[in-house]
Parts: sequence; structure tokens; C-alpha cells
Amino acid sequence: AQTVTQSQPEMSVQEAETVTLSCTYDTSESDYYLFWYKQPPSRQMILVIRQEAYKQQNATENRFSVNFQKAAKSFSLKISDSQLGDAAMYFCACKGQGAQKLVFGQGTRLTINP
Amino acid sequence: GAVVSQHPSWVICKSGTSVKIECRSLDFQATTMFWYRQFPKKSLMLMATSNEGSKATYEQGVEKDKFLINHASLTLSTLTVTSAHPEDSSFYICSARRLAGGWNEQFFGPGTRLTVL
Repeated sequence: AQTVTQSQPEMSVQEAETVTLSCTYDTSESDYYLFWYKQPPSRQMILVIRQEAYKQQNATENRFSVNFQKAAKSFSLKISDSQLGDAAMYFCACKGQGAQKLVFGQGTRLTINP
Repeated sequence: GAVVSQHPSWVICKSGTSVKIECRSLDFQATTMFWYRQFPKKSLMLMATSNEGSKATYEQGVEKDKFLINHASLTLSTLTVTSAHPEDSSFYICSARRLAGGWNEQFFGPGTRLTVL
């Protein structure tokens, strides 16, 4: 079983600056995946980035990168050069390799200030 | 990219009636589909996992007789809310897991907003 915790209900950042969203997780699986999803006002869930737990290198997708600390069970998302379109709910999620379902955190609402 | 559609996008119904929501994977086959419920400003709560050709697996606390799930084909799953009541009002989201390729990514539908009067 997995649990995912996002301790920041809301975050805000000035446009063009950098923001980091926190996520901690717990799992009994030895192999698992971690994800960050974005849910804009349209409510459409969009995959931002994923990390395979067996990979030591942090995943990067353009302005989005993660800081994966396996021993600490921490998986934070860094958004560089924040843009107005980044405003959304961000959900951290975990899935065991052999499991079917995703386990989501509570979400962090990100506001971008112009 | 993989596209998942939901129909309808919103529905208003009277208390006591049943409502069917469709989830379709438009350009890929999905052996597994998931149904979530999301309350305002809250996270997604998994209701059930639907595998093509077999009975859905419901999460603890979800009434299987109230939320009927049918996964009739590799591209279609339906959620029927039976005898709906105002407390069933919510945002329902489906996702579909692609059959082949990579690590079986889940793709999400745009959601259906249900309002029960």
C-alpha cells in the first residue's frame, strides 16, 4: 500500500520565478513510480513528469524538474521560470510497479502572480 | 497522444433517477479503466478499477450496487449512478490505461460534473 502527502495546500509565486512543491510518500513496494499531475481550471488531469524509483537521476521536462530523495521518501517538483499558464492544482502520485492504481496526494494549489 | 473522452461533460438530474456516464479511449485500447470522484478543492478518490470483460473492483466504502460499472469493450467503460441523491453530486473522472507500450501510462478524461437536485 502507498500513501502520499502534500503538506502545502496552497503556494504562490511571482511570474518568471522558481517555485518548489513538496511531496512525501510511503510505500512497501521495492519498485514503484512517482508522478506529478497538473489539474488546471478545466479539470483535465495532465501528466507533468514521472520518475522511476530505480533511477537515481532526477527526471526533467523542460521547466519542470524533480528532486527525488529515495531514502527520505521525498519527491518535490521544481517549476522554473513560472508562467501564468502554470496556475493549477498539482497532485503528487505513486504507483507500485505491480499495482494498477495510482495513489494521489491531497494537492497543492499554485497561484502565479503577474 | 492518447485521448480519453467522457460523455456527458455535465448532467443535472432529479433525485431518484439514474445517470450513465461513458468513458471512451479514442485512439488506443485500454484493458483497464479507473473511475474517480473529486469533491471541490479535494483530491481524486478512486472508486473502482474496471477490467475489460470482468467485474469491477470497488474501493472500500464504495457501494457497488449504487455505482454500477460496465467495461464492455477495450475502448468503453460506463458508470451508472443508480437512484441518485444530492449527496452523489460531484465531479467524476475516468482514466484509461494503455494496453501496450512503455510503462502503461494512465490517460485521464475531462470529467463529468453531476448535479442531483
